Amino acid sequence: DIQMTQSPSSLSASVGDRVTIACRSRQRISNSLNWYQHTPGKAPKLLISAASYLQSGAPSRFSGSGSGTDFTLTISSLQPEDFATYYCQQTYTTPYTFGQGTKLEIK
Amino acid sequence: EVQLVESGGGLVQPGGSLRLSCAGSGFTFSRNWMSWVRQAPGKGLEWVANIKQDGTEKYYVDSVRGRFTISRDNAKNLVYLQMNSLRADDTAVYYCAREYAYNSTWPQNFDCWGQGTLVTVSS
Repeated sequence: DIQMTQSPSSLSASVGDRVTIACRSRQRISNSLNWYQHTPGKAPKLLISAASYLQSGAPSRFSGSGSGTDFTLTISSLQPEDFATYYCQQTYTTPYTFGQGTKLEIK
Repeated sequence: EVQLVESGGGLVQPGGSLRLSCAGSGFTFSRNWMSWVRQAPGKGLEWVANIKQDGTEKYYVDSVRGRFTISRDNAKNLVYLQMNSLRADDTAVYYCAREYAYNSTWPQNFDCWGQGTLVTVSS
């Protein structure tokens, strides 16, 4: 199985801050990396697919980069609705695996 | 509007069985792989299983292989998760998700999710 590791596991930030979340895979996965936003009680929401492609409807302040084993999700200017948990996921091979999540909290 | 709605969750005793259903609407159901993903209390997301468009390929995470079976009925726009020999650590919210890829060389993503159904395994 491909292990995905996110850092940090939690993060406190303020509205307007620039935030970066890292995701690393134990083996190369090309660009088969997605990012999701999850708020308690809601369905997870796809933000970024194929490492860097912004999903239709996702705000442009979200961006993704990386290839191979190292990936990042950046939020350019935090908005109140962005405080949630973020997950990376590899779909290079089954079992598809998620990172452990990064909980973004209000400072 | 693309929509997925799960049902069938509930309280079940250890060793028991449960069948989850997921109804898709607003898209051509038979064109997409479908997945089940779960989230245990206080834990992260865990992919459980998926099934190819025509049902001929199915994959599972090791922890459920041999106990859970994924299936689909394209005529009814339904995907199922039959869960047998349930254990306490299967307690979770179970989501179904539509897999999507822009083309055959594009990696899959989960672009649409249901709201989830809670499965509690407890005596």
